[in-house]
Amino acid sequence: SQQGEEDPQALSIQEGENATMNCSYKTSINNLQWYRQNSGRGLVHLILIRSNEREKHSGRLRVTLDTSKKSSSLLITASRAADTASYFCARPSNTGKLIFGQGTTLQVKP
Amino acid sequence: DGGITQSPKYLFRKEGQNVTLSCEQNLNHDAMYWYRQDPGQGLRLIYYSQIVNDFQKGDIAEGYSVSREKKESFPLTVTSAQKNPTAFYLCASSIPGQTYNEQFFGPGTRLTVL
Repeated sequence: SQQGEEDPQALSIQEGENATMNCSYKTSINNLQWYRQNSGRGLVHLILIRSNEREKHSGRLRVTLDTSKKSSSLLITASRAADTASYFCARPSNTGKLIFGQGTTLQVKP
Repeated sequence: DGGITQSPKYLFRKEGQNVTLSCEQNLNHDAMYWYRQDPGQGLRLIYYSQIVNDFQKGDIAEGYSVSREKKESFPLTVTSAQKNPTAFYLCASSIPGQTYNEQFFGPGTRLTVL
């Protein structure tokens, strides 16, 4: 499959804890993107990390990329109940399409 | 406000009927996409269009058809040939030809076959 692999498939934490999601892929990339999807809604772009970057921050989000291991991680610090959602990694194919992973469903308990 | 709209939000279809899902964008994006999402799954690409009057099949095009007569509009028809059409359908758009192409998504249409 061309899709990336994400783990865990589901994650349940308490408010205030950190949440880490991982994404692995098989082919070379020039960037990797993370999206968020609230239940029953469309996806929202969170952050893009380029292949020459190792780490990127956006508010409480931290994304890392290890091209040698073909993996990326998304860390949400000090989680809130409102962070409850599914999170997807996506990478562009050589034809410009985005290939999405299966997603991690995060539940943050108040 | 700029964005992507999809209609209807919920759609019910009887077996054997064709239905058309609407997708409109005012972001002036050339590229548009249709995805299918099944419960607990990721997105699978149905069709995409990089420019008006042109479109290509994605990974699961069988049983679907599209048209791209206007830049703003990319309707998806789910035909009776689609064996299992009950799913959540998402439309997206982006600026084509860029390596770092963020996609903007509509709110989705949930199709249920009765």
